Amino acid sequence: AQSVTQLGSHVSVSEGALVLLRCNYSSSVPPYLFWYVQYPNQGLQLLLKYTSAATLVKGINGFEAEFKKSETSFHLTKPSAHMSDAAEYFCAVGNQGGKLIFGQGTELSVKP
Amino acid sequence: NAGVTQTPKFQVLKTGQSMTLQCAQDMNHEYMSWYRQDPGMGLRLIHYSVGAGITDQGEVPNGYNVSRSTTEDFPLRLLSAAPSQTSVYFCASSLGGARGEQFFGPGTRLTVL
Repeated sequence: AQSVTQLGSHVSVSEGALVLLRCNYSSSVPPYLFWYVQYPNQGLQLLLKYTSAATLVKGINGFEAEFKKSETSFHLTKPSAHMSDAAEYFCAVGNQGGKLIFGQGTELSVKP
Repeated sequence: NAGVTQTPKFQVLKTGQSMTLQCAQDMNHEYMSWYRQDPGMGLRLIHYSVGAGITDQGEVPNGYNVSRSTTEDFPLRLLSAAPSQTSVYFCASSLGGARGEQFFGPGTRLTVL
């Protein structure tokens, strides 16, 4: 069975500071990993995805994530936070079995 | 191209009532799924479908039924609503199954009294 754990339900950073959102996964087969973002009262939209082509994945809005198999991690980073980055972020793992499983979510707050 | 649409946007039910949440997509995606979102629990997969006529259970299927008679539509039925089913429900579709980008609908906020 596959699962996803996001460390920290709430992360607060200052504008201009590094953003680091943590995600660990478990999967019995090579995983497809995703980060999604949800702005208030909206559905989710894709930030980036890992599909085994490259371990460092670049996404939209300056976000990137690094796949580390030895650590079973897929942490999301952004060098410099903007106020507009305030949202909830979800890590997810999918496989060919058809199930896409999401983590519990991390709410990012950005202080001016 | 409307993407993924969901109706209704809001619904209040009494315990024991039944209802159907509608989901439709116009992108010809084979894969569709239903999630519920609850505070602190992220999104949990209820049911999914890899194509017309094929459905399977997700993480939390109890109390919900689905069917997939067409590629476009994937309704979610609550057989006998319970307060524990109060949640926000999202439908999603994908061209690449669980490995592809999911396109989400705007959600249905359901309250069961």
